[in-house]
Parts: sequence; C-alpha cells; structure tokens
Amino acid sequence: SQKIEQNSEALNIQEGKTATLTCNYTNYSPAYLQWYRQDPGRGPVFLLLIRENEKEKRKERLKVTFDTTLKQSLFHITASQPADSATYLCAPSNYGGSQGNLIFGKGTKLSVKP
Amino acid sequence: KAGVTQTPRYLIKTRGQQVTLSCSPISGHRSVSWYQQTPGQGLQFLFEYFSETQRNKGNFPGRFSGRQFSNSRSEMNVSTLELGDSALYLCASSSSTLTDTQYFGPGTRLTVL
Repeated sequence: SQKIEQNSEALNIQEGKTATLTCNYTNYSPAYLQWYRQDPGRGPVFLLLIRENEKEKRKERLKVTFDTTLKQSLFHITASQPADSATYLCAPSNYGGSQGNLIFGKGTKLSVKP
Repeated sequence: KAGVTQTPRYLIKTRGQQVTLSCSPISGHRSVSWYQQTPGQGLQFLFEYFSETQRNKGNFPGRFSGRQFSNSRSEMNVSTLELGDSALYLCASSSSTLTDTQYFGPGTRLTVL
C-alpha cells in the first residue's frame, strides 16, 4: 500500500537558518506533490505544488524539490523566522485520481527559536 | 472570495448522542471532502462529495455519513458517538479535478465525553 514518511516528528532550528523537511513515499509514482502548513487547531493551508517534471519550485523563502528517482521531496525554508513554526504536511498525488482523498504524511513539526 | 467555513467550531457531546457538522465551500467549488484528524492517526479521509453525489469514501464505519446540497454546502453526521470520535473534523473544497488542491476550513473540534 502507499506509504508516506516525513523525516521526523519534530525539527528545531535557530532563527535565520534554513529548515529542510523531507517527504519520502513508497509503492506509488505520483505525478505531483503538494505541501501544506498547519497551525495548531486550524486546517492545513496549501503552500506549493510541484509536478514530476519540475524538479524545483520556489515561492518567496520557500523552495521545494521533487526527485522521482529517489521518491523524495525536500521542502526548504530559508532565513527561517519564529512565525514559520508550524506542522508541515506533504501529499503526493496523481492527476484526477484521488477524488478528494489526498493522502497526507503525518507531518513534521517545525519550531524556530529566536 | 470567502474561504471555507465550518460550523460549529467547537462541540461537546456525550457518548451515544449524534452530531451534525456543516461546511460551506469556496464559491464555485463543487468538490467537498471531509477529514478526521487525531494526534495519533494524522489526517484521515472520510468521504468526498461532488455535485451532490458521494464519489469516494474512506475506511470509516457507517456511523459516519454525509450529504451535499445543490448549493455545494455539505453536512456530515456521526451517530451513536464514541469516545474515540473526539477529533478535529476538517472540511476541504476543491475547484479542480486535475490536481485536487484542497482548501481547508478551520475545522470543528468535537469532544465526546
């Protein structure tokens, strides 16, 4: 069955450093992958979508890579700030196939200390 | 555009009762999905509705049901509540059947005593 692993349950870094979060998947070949941010007690918020042919995508301080050979996506936050503290979820998927059923990883809780 | 709204935001019920949660999707979005989120299990898919029809269903017991109205608003119902049903229930809407980007509401925190 499809399996998604996010590198660690928690990641603690110092303000100003780059945070790198990992999403590994097994037993399927997604055509694209999405990253979401979730704050405590709130719904996830969509951040970025990267397609299998894009390799890298950027949005402000965020950068996502997608390596279909390694079956892995990396999510980077540069110049991290305490406001970036949240849980980040990845969701690999295929076009038109999920019918609402996005499979999410369990997330990585990022804490950025001042 | 207004985001996804969910009511109520918080709910406390006792075992055996039933509960109905409501979700209004982003205007123009026809797909509405429901998820349950607990600390141990993460986000788990309940069901998805598109144009008033349930298109997809997760692995939950029949006590969990839903429906969608002609204006795309959706409700989910849980009957005979159990302690384990305590969770954050999230509704998400989507406009695209291609990439399934989900836009989530703030959630309903259900506590079963």
